[in-house]
Amino acid sequence: GAVVSQHPSRVICKSGTSVKIECRSLDFQATTMFWYRQFPKQSLMLMATSNEGSKATYEQGVEKDKFLINHASLTLSTLTVTSAHPEDSSFYICSALESGGWEQYFGPGTRLTVT
Amino acid sequence: AQSVTQLDSQVPVFEEAPVELRCNYSSSVSVYLFWYVQYPNQGLQLLLKYLSGSTLVKGINGFEAEFNKSQTSFHLRKPSVHISDTAEYFCAVSLQGGYNKLIFGAGTRLAVHP
Repeated sequence: GAVVSQHPSRVICKSGTSVKIECRSLDFQATTMFWYRQFPKQSLMLMATSNEGSKATYEQGVEKDKFLINHASLTLSTLTVTSAHPEDSSFYICSALESGGWEQYFGPGTRLTVT
Repeated sequence: AQSVTQLDSQVPVFEEAPVELRCNYSSSVSVYLFWYVQYPNQGLQLLLKYLSGSTLVKGINGFEAEFNKSQTSFHLRKPSVHISDTAEYFCAVSLQGGYNKLIFGAGTRLAVHP
């Protein structure tokens, strides 16, 4: 149990375009989901906390107008990178917190490359 | 504020040798402690956690960790490693008392050689 999926696993987009990444909790409901960014050979940096039915909470230094987060249901959160630039290229990982629980379950990650 | 320090960025070790990955944390309040493993191009998998109780915690894949409050450490150990243990290992903390966000260390790359 407690499986989190991400789609797509890899995406290449042109500079200036937008790309959407989906995070789904497959066998549990997640009131809260998290989005992390990981640069090569570095740790995970929390970008934002996404709560179902409300606005996401962004960490300091993360542009909320560039990284749009929508958590429209208890099993799906999306991250849209708007007007992507090469410096947005990174590995994006989501995690989901089971409603009423404390453990985060991580997705497999999405590799974004902006050309 | 909480912080996590993983003292070794890389740890090379031969197969079947023991290994210890070090983790120290800083916090003015009580925390929960975690170790995660990340294989290449994958998400994180929870190895083990300390919430309360016994300071020696056993996890999956033969790993264990010991919480030392006086030294604010949570070192990860395995008595005999396998090639398949080659991965990135992250130590993390969160505040006690309900759910709070995870603060990760920089990670330690464990490289097991034949």
